[in-house]
Parts: sequence; structure tokens; C-alpha cells
Amino acid sequence: QVLLEESGGGVVQPGGSLRLSCAASRFSFNNFAMHWVRQAPGRGLEWVAFIRDDASNEYYRDSVKGRFTISRDNSKNVLYLQMNSLRPEDTAIYYCAKNPEGGSRVPNAFDVRGQGTLVTVSS
Amino acid sequence: DIQMTQSPSSLSAFVGDRVTITCRPSQSVSRFLNWYQLKPGTAPKLLIYAASNLQSGVPSRFSGSGSGTEFTLTISSLQPEDLATYFCQQSLSIPFNFGTGTRVEMK
Repeated sequence: QVLLEESGGGVVQPGGSLRLSCAASRFSFNNFAMHWVRQAPGRGLEWVAFIRDDASNEYYRDSVKGRFTISRDNSKNVLYLQMNSLRPEDTAIYYCAKNPEGGSRVPNAFDVRGQGTLVTVSS
Repeated sequence: DIQMTQSPSSLSAFVGDRVTITCRPSQSVSRFLNWYQLKPGTAPKLLIYAASNLQSGVPSRFSGSGSGTEFTLTISSLQPEDLATYFCQQSLSIPFNFGTGTRVEMK
């Protein structure tokens, strides 16, 4: 069964940094586009960032552009999210997600297989 | 940005009822529309992708239809474990926005 295990969350002061990791297993990681999505306390879901299967392109929502960087290491089957200049409004559970289908020209959707990692930005 | 409007915002139904939730994007998203189930304290679960493709492992009582600016998620026979909030989400263009959610409760 597909596994995605997020880690790296924690409590950080505004302006601080965190690096989230997502360890993938039991599927061909290098053949799937990957995403980060988040859920703030008591709120709905929000897409954060997307990286293609070969890391050729990255995409971000405006509120994190210039502060967050999504990357991947296909040799280690790991997805990352480097988060800098964190703000209180970034407080959320962060989930990594794979596309439901492999390949580069497939519909994007968020197949979440882990429990997420909690990021709390507070002074 | 494409805005996603769901209706109703909440509903109450009996076990065994047929339940329909509607999602209306602010502009056409072709068939780039996905549906998720969210239960308190758990990760979101992908139910339907590309408007009508049932995600692996999802019960067949869930189905999706529609294109352009009107989509529906149908639960053919509501079960107690379907108590949750349901979200639509478009994947045509960045940012991949979610709808406002529909809370499903049991009568």
C-alpha cells in the first residue's frame, strides 16, 4: 500500500523557518507529480505547492510565493517543503499528496496517504 | 483565480438516502474537478478525480458527474460512515482552489 510520511513540523516564531519532508514508498515516486496541501485549524483545505515528476517545474499559491520552496529527491523518494519567513497565517497541518495517476500529462488531484505534520507559527 | 461554490453548505439525510452535492466553479474548468471527504482529525480522502473517475478503494456508492461550470457528487445510499464534510477542488489552473465544503449529517 502506498505510504507518504510527513515530518518536520513544529512550533516556530514569526519570521522563522522550517523544512518539511515527505518520505514516499511502495510506488514509483519518480513517475508522479507531488503536492503540498494544508488545513488551518477550523478551516478548509488549501493547496500550497506542486512539483512535476521530473522536478522540471514548480508552482505556488501567491501567499507563499517567494517564501516557500518545493523540491524533491527522486533518488531518495523524498519530497520537501522549505518554509521561510513564516507567518501566523501559515499555521496548519501540512500534507503531502501524490497525483492519482503517474505521468506528466495527467489530471492533478491530491491523493493524501499520511497523517500530516503540524506547523505552528506563534510568538 | 477560479472561485468554487458548493451547495448546500450542509444537509441532513437518513441512512439509505440518495445525497447530491453541487459544485459550481466561477468559470469553466472542463472536467478538471475533484471531490474529497474530510472527517475531523483525519487526513482528506480523495474520492473522485477528473469529474467522474472513482479513486481506487473508494466505495462505488460515490459517483461524480458534470463538466464546465456545474458538477455533482452523488452518494447513492448514505451510510453512517459517510458523516463528513465534502469539498470540491478544481485543477485546471493555479491556484488549485477548493470549494467551501458541504457538511453531511445523519437524521
